[in-house]
Amino acid sequence: AQKVTQAQTEISVVEKEDVTLDCVYETRDTTYYLFWYKQPPSGELVFLIRRNSFDEQNEISGRYSWNFQKSTSSFNFTITASQVVDSAVYFCARGSNDYKLSFGAGTTVTVRA
Amino acid sequence: NAGVTQTPKFQVLKTGQSMTLQCAQDMNHEYMSWYRQDPGMGLRLIHYSVGAGITDQGEVPNGYNVSRSTTEDFPLRLLSAAPSQTSVYFCASSRQSSGNTIYFGEGSWLTVV
Repeated sequence: AQKVTQAQTEISVVEKEDVTLDCVYETRDTTYYLFWYKQPPSGELVFLIRRNSFDEQNEISGRYSWNFQKSTSSFNFTITASQVVDSAVYFCARGSNDYKLSFGAGTTVTVRA
Repeated sequence: NAGVTQTPKFQVLKTGQSMTLQCAQDMNHEYMSWYRQDPGMGLRLIHYSVGAGITDQGEVPNGYNVSRSTTEDFPLRLLSAAPSQTSVYFCASSRQSSGNTIYFGEGSWLTVV
């Protein structure tokens, strides 16, 4: 199986601090897709972003930003000026053309007021 | 705006019992899949379907059965429940185009005692 590794199991920050979540993936495919999902305490999975392997542009959406580096097989996620509502488990995932996702183990982010 | 609907949300089973987790989507998505989420392991693919009448195994298919008689529905059957099947189950769907966003249901919490 082509693994997705999220090395950080848990991260705890104080509100307004920035937090970066690491994601490293393995792939043998030329074309693949990378995802980030948020799982708040209520349990549902919330889609955050999809990135195609042929598009290495970084992306910013409000307080969220993503850094895709193909050379190091990494797709890191940064939350700027964190808020308590950002407390959740965040999953990185990789998919190929057959739509089967491989997930990392998740990083639990706790933002303290 | 139902999206992906899973039932039941919570279920307790005795070892050896059988049950069906229901999944329905109203977005006319061709692809549907089932994942299970276990602590420290992220989500793992159980079974998936690329269209009505077509199913295939994922990473952890043993003990589960699926069928896809309609585009909308993709039930997951536990044939003889075991404590190792205690988990959170997520159904997902997506369009048949490369790299489309995969939408998840709200999850079904299953405990086998």
